[in-house]
Amino acid sequence: DQQVKQNSPSLSVQEGRISILNCDYTNSMFDYFLWYKKYPAEGPTFLISISSIKDKNEDGRFTVFLNKSAKHLSLHIVPSQPGDSAVYFCAARTFGSSGTYKYIFGTGTRLKVLA
Amino acid sequence: EPEVTQTPSHQVTQMGQEVILRCVPISNHLYFYWYRQILGQKVEFLVSFYNNEISEKSEIFDDQFSVERPDGSNFTLKIRSTKLEDSAMYFCASRSLHRGPNSYEQYFGPGTRLTVT
Repeated sequence: DQQVKQNSPSLSVQEGRISILNCDYTNSMFDYFLWYKKYPAEGPTFLISISSIKDKNEDGRFTVFLNKSAKHLSLHIVPSQPGDSAVYFCAARTFGSSGTYKYIFGTGTRLKVLA
Repeated sequence: EPEVTQTPSHQVTQMGQEVILRCVPISNHLYFYWYRQILGQKVEFLVSFYNNEISEKSEIFDDQFSVERPDGSNFTLKIRSTKLEDSAMYFCASRSLHRGPNSYEQYFGPGTRLTVT
């Protein structure tokens, strides 16, 4: 039961170009969506998030778009830099069975930015 | 900048042995989490902890697992009798109670790689 899906395991982009990472979800009860970046041998680091009541959130080079009707969100990185090379996880927040929040992660997309 | 720390960074244990993974969350955070990531797979939620009790747990978190906050700073995950399939990277995370633009953001530790042989 994969509620959060990242269908592209990897993506390569030239430095300076746009990176677009995609995420699909199945649970309409998710109220927040988050993107995390993970370097090897480190824990995930929070990047940017979006509430389910919005359709866009921007923070510097990072923009997240949410299409609720399609149950799809995407992370845009412009311009891409070699230091952006990492695994990117999409995560979604929902209430668990005991009424507290839990976070569901996707499988990740490995982004490689080529110099 | 405050950070979540985890020890050890790598733990090797034999099948059937007990292991305790340790985490020190950010000091003013009140929600605590354990996740695991089996090599090449997604990050999986194990358990959340608030107010000295488990608030949510996944189907992975069976009777072999337990969590504890023994002294107000450490947050531990114990696996009583490890199995080969417990080999994974285990991440601890913490979150602030307070409302704010990023209050739902979890801060992750660097992880403990558990290898069960």
